[in-house]
Formats: sequence, structure tokens, C-alpha cells
Amino acid sequence: GNSVTQMEGPVTLSEEAFLTINCTYTATGYPSLFWYVQYPGEGLQLLLKATKADDKGSNKGFEATYRKETTSFHLEKGSVQVSDSAVYFCALLNNAGNMLTFGGGTRLMVKP
Amino acid sequence: EAQVTQNPRYLITVTGKKLTVTCSQNMNHEYMSWYRQDPGLGLRQIYYSMNVEVTDKGDVPEGYKVSRKEKRNFPLILESPSPNQTSLYFCASSPAGGGRNYGYTFGSGTRLTVV
Repeated sequence: GNSVTQMEGPVTLSEEAFLTINCTYTATGYPSLFWYVQYPGEGLQLLLKATKADDKGSNKGFEATYRKETTSFHLEKGSVQVSDSAVYFCALLNNAGNMLTFGGGTRLMVKP
Repeated sequence: EAQVTQNPRYLITVTGKKLTVTCSQNMNHEYMSWYRQDPGLGLRQIYYSMNVEVTDKGDVPEGYKVSRKEKRNFPLILESPSPNQTSLYFCASSPAGGGRNYGYTFGSGTRLTVV
């Protein structure tokens, strides 16, 4: 079956530091890949997506590239802010479009 | 505003007392799903529905039931809750075939505690 593995947290950074959260996946077919963000006490919000190999998703300064050769979709941001503190989930959508498979989540804490 | 609405947000109940968590979406989406979130495990799918009267099991369906009598509603039913169902639950929806491009829209979550 499909699976997603992402680095465990928490990740603690100072403001303006560079962020990388690793995500690798195992899947049959050609899944779409997503990063979702969960702020404290809230639901999941779609951060960015990529639907095919070599696509780069980007939003709010975050980026991730769909790498089929390494089955990876690492999340990066060049300069994090305190407001980026949240839990980040990597996920893949199966070919039928009816199931998202999530990684375990990575908590990011950004200190002033 | 396009949204997925879950109720209640918080619920504490006792073992064995039947409960229903409601989910409603106003986007005319065909696909709806329920997930539970547990620390370190991410979110796992409980049940999904691809249209009215079409439902199927996800990865962790034991102890849950669902129904899809109307397109907008997808309630989650726990007929005899147990403490291992204490979790944070999310409902999500997507247009048919649109999940690949738009992802799923999630509700705000229901935190359930079974004592």
C-alpha cells in the first residue's frame, strides 16, 4: 500500500533561518503530493501541491519539488517567521482520488 | 464561504454511549472522508464516500459507521464508543476528480474523549 515518511520533530529554528522538512513516499501509480499545515487548535490547510514528476509547488514562501527518482517531496523555506510555527503534514493522494495517505507530521517551532 | 462544518468541536462521552459527529459541506463536492489524527501517526482514513449512497472502508474502519443520504452530509457514527477511539477527528471533501488539482478541504476537527 501507499505510505509517507517524514522527519520527526520538533524542529526548532530561529527566525529567518532556512527550513527543510524531509518527506519520502511509497506509492503505486502516479499520486499527487501535498503539504498541509495545521496551526494550533485548527484544522488542516492546504499549503502547496504537485501533481506530476518535476512539478514544483509553492505558496507563502514555501516550496517543494516532486522528485520521482528519489520518491521525495521535501518542504523548504528560505526564511522562517514566528508565524510559521505549526505542524506540517506531507500527504499523497491515490490514483482514484479517494484517499489521502499522511506522514506522521512535523512540528515546527520558530523562536524570535 | 466555502467550508466543511463539523459538530461538535469537543465531546466527552462514556464508554458504550452511542454518538454521532456531523459533517456538512457547502461546495457540492462528491467525495467526502473521515480521518482520525493520533500523535505520531498522522491522519488515517476511517471511511470515505464517492457519492450519495456510495461508501467504503478506509484504513481504520473498526468501530465506526457512516451514511451518505444527502450529498452535503456525511455523519460519523460510533455505536459503542471505547477509550481507544479517543482522538481528533476530521471530515474532508473534494470534487470528483478534483482532488489531484485542489486537494481536500478539511473541517476544523472534533476532539472526542471516551472515558
